[in-house]
Amino acid sequence: EVQLVESGGGLVQPGGSLRLSCAASGFTFSGYGMNWVRQPPGKGLEWVSYIGSDSSTIYYADSVKGRFTISRDNAKNSLYVQMNSLRDEDSAVYYCARVNLPIGAFDIWGQGTMVTVSS
Amino acid sequence: DIQMTQSPSSLSASVGDRVTITCQASQDINYYLNWYQQKPGKAPKLLIYDASNLETGVPSRFSGSGSGTDFTFTISSLQPEDIATYYCQQYDTLPRVFTFGPGTKVDIK
Repeated sequence: EVQLVESGGGLVQPGGSLRLSCAASGFTFSGYGMNWVRQPPGKGLEWVSYIGSDSSTIYYADSVKGRFTISRDNAKNSLYVQMNSLRDEDSAVYYCARVNLPIGAFDIWGQGTMVTVSS
Repeated sequence: DIQMTQSPSSLSASVGDRVTITCQASQDINYYLNWYQQKPGKAPKLLIYDASNLETGVPSRFSGSGSGTDFTFTISSLQPEDIATYYCQQYDTLPRVFTFGPGTKVDIK
């Protein structure tokens, strides 16, 4: 079964850091670009970051540029995002999502992990 | 940056009704437009890719059309299990950037 499972969410104070992980299974992880997409409580979806299949291409949304770092370990079938200098507005459910290129569609999603930034 | 708008923001319709949602891009995005369904507490699900192509396993009552800046998503006969929020999403190739619309919440009347 094709599956993505996120972990690492939790409560963190403003200015703090958190690292999220996403474990992939059921497909050739090294063959796909991967993304983080977030959704604040009761609000819409926001794309956060993309990493190419071999990590050579990385993009960020302006809202997280300079604070978040996406990475992957193809040997471990895992995707990560290191989130630093967290703000209240970073509170959201964070999903990892596989992108099916070249169509640019997120065809596989994880169940999400909640990040709450609060003092 | 490309901005996406959707209308309406919400709608109520009866079972069996035809439902139409529109999505507009702030500039020409060719056919680089996808549609997702998100049920409460669940991850989004891809329904339509490249404006009009039905994802494998998605019921044929869902369809999409459009190109350039104006796109339409249609449910031909609304079913109770279609209650959800629907999002459009555009993508650029270089740089690889993705933008979601604000969503349309669909309820049963």
